[in-house]
Amino acid sequence: AQTVTQSQPEMSVQEAETVTLSCTYDTSESDYYLFWYKQPPSRQMILVIRQEAYKQQNATENRFSVNFQKAAKSFSLKISDSQLGDAAMYFCAYRRRTYKYIFGTGTRLKVLA
Amino acid sequence: ETGVTQSPTHLIKTKGQQVTLRCSSQSGHNTVSWYQQALGQGPQFIFQYYREEENGRGNFPPRFSGRQFPNYSSELYVNALELDDSALYLCASSFLDRVTDTQYFGPGTRLTVL
Repeated sequence: AQTVTQSQPEMSVQEAETVTLSCTYDTSESDYYLFWYKQPPSRQMILVIRQEAYKQQNATENRFSVNFQKAAKSFSLKISDSQLGDAAMYFCAYRRRTYKYIFGTGTRLKVLA
Repeated sequence: ETGVTQSPTHLIKTKGQQVTLRCSSQSGHNTVSWYQQALGQGPQFIFQYYREEENGRGNFPPRFSGRQFPNYSSELYVNALELDDSALYLCASSFLDRVTDTQYFGPGTRLTVL
C-alpha cells in the first residue's frame, strides 16, 4: 500500500528566509503524481504545486519549488522569500492514475516576523 | 468561474443521528471526492463520485454513503453517528480524465458529534 510520510510536525522560518519541507512516499508504481497543498487556519486546502512522476524537471511556481528525487522517493517543498501569509499546515499528497489521494500528516509552518 | 462550496459550515449532532453534507463542484468539473480530516491529521479518502456513479471507496463503513447529481454537485450521508465521526469533512472536485486529475477543495464542514 502506498504511504506518505512527513517527518517534520512543525517548522519555523524567519520572514524573507528560505525553508524546506520534507516528504517521502512509498510506492511500487512508476506512474503517479505528487502534490503539495497548503491549509491555512481558514481550513480551505489550496494547491501549491504538483509534480508528474514521469517528468524529470522539478516543478516551480513562483516562490515555491520542489526537489523531486524519484529513486529516493522524496518530494520536498522549498519556499523562498517566506512571507507571513505562508504560515499554514502543509500537506504532501500522492496520487496514482486512479481516484485516490493519499495525504501525509502535515507540517505546520510558522513564519516569524 | 466559481470554486468548490460546501454547506453547512458547522454542524452539531448527537450520537446515533444522521447527517447530510453538501458540496457544489467547481464549474467544468465532473468528479467529486470526499475526505474526512480528524484534528491534527491529514485528510482520509472516503469515496469519489464520477458522473453520478461511485468511482472508488476508502476504508469507511457502509454508514458513510453519498450521491452525485446531474449537475455534479454531491451529498455525503452519515448514518448512526458515532463520537469518532467528529471531524472536518472536505469535498474536492476535479475533471477526471486519464492524464490529470488535480483536486480543488472546498472550505469544509466541521461536524461535531456529542
